[in-house]
Amino acid sequence: NAGVMQNPRHLVRRRGQEARLRCSPMKGHSHVYWYRQLPEEGLKFMVYLQKENIIDESGMPKERFSAEFPKEGPSILRIQQVVRGDSAAYFCASSSGTSDYNEQFFGPGTRLTVL
Amino acid sequence: QQPVQSPQAVILREGEDAVINCSSSKALYSVHWYRQKHGEAPVFLMILLKGGEQKGHEKISASFNEKKQQSSLYLTASQLSYSGTYFCGTGGGSQGNLIFGKGTKLSVKP
Repeated sequence: NAGVMQNPRHLVRRRGQEARLRCSPMKGHSHVYWYRQLPEEGLKFMVYLQKENIIDESGMPKERFSAEFPKEGPSILRIQQVVRGDSAAYFCASSSGTSDYNEQFFGPGTRLTVL
Repeated sequence: QQPVQSPQAVILREGEDAVINCSSSKALYSVHWYRQKHGEAPVFLMILLKGGEQKGHEKISASFNEKKQQSSLYLTASQLSYSGTYFCGTGGGSQGNLIFGKGTKLSVKP
């Protein structure tokens, strides 16, 4: 029973390049959340998606960042023209959305380093 | 608003107990507790719902005081494996994103 999967686990980009982070939710889960974590800090919500819909993107920077969760395939967080400040760990979590508990289970994260 | 966790850090000897608090200035629907070890993903521990229901870990307990808008996580007879940073996350409803506190770093020494 696979958990939440993220790839790549580590990503190095030069300033100005694009970064694409992928997240496959747990089997049976249709809700995906993306969080960003800076070193020694807590998790900051970025965006909440269901299949083909963005439900809440209030935590996502208005420029350069976008997210999608297509009908088929993983959810993708895209960062265009990366800058050094984008270096962080990006975690994806998924939930079934069918329970009042709505537990969110996290993937292993993608550690982005911008040179 | 971001929930406030206290203490920021605590050091224990194996077998000792600890309490970690999480409070919010906003009405709480649910409180989620996670533990994160360095370089790893947060691991789900416990969720508490308004109304007193809870679901989670067998060896860790928690309370949820709706009037005070506060939750406490109780770690009893701590083990070395309990070391890590504990985060509480508050949710505004049955679905939706979590707003996490800054974390409480717990170190358990032999």
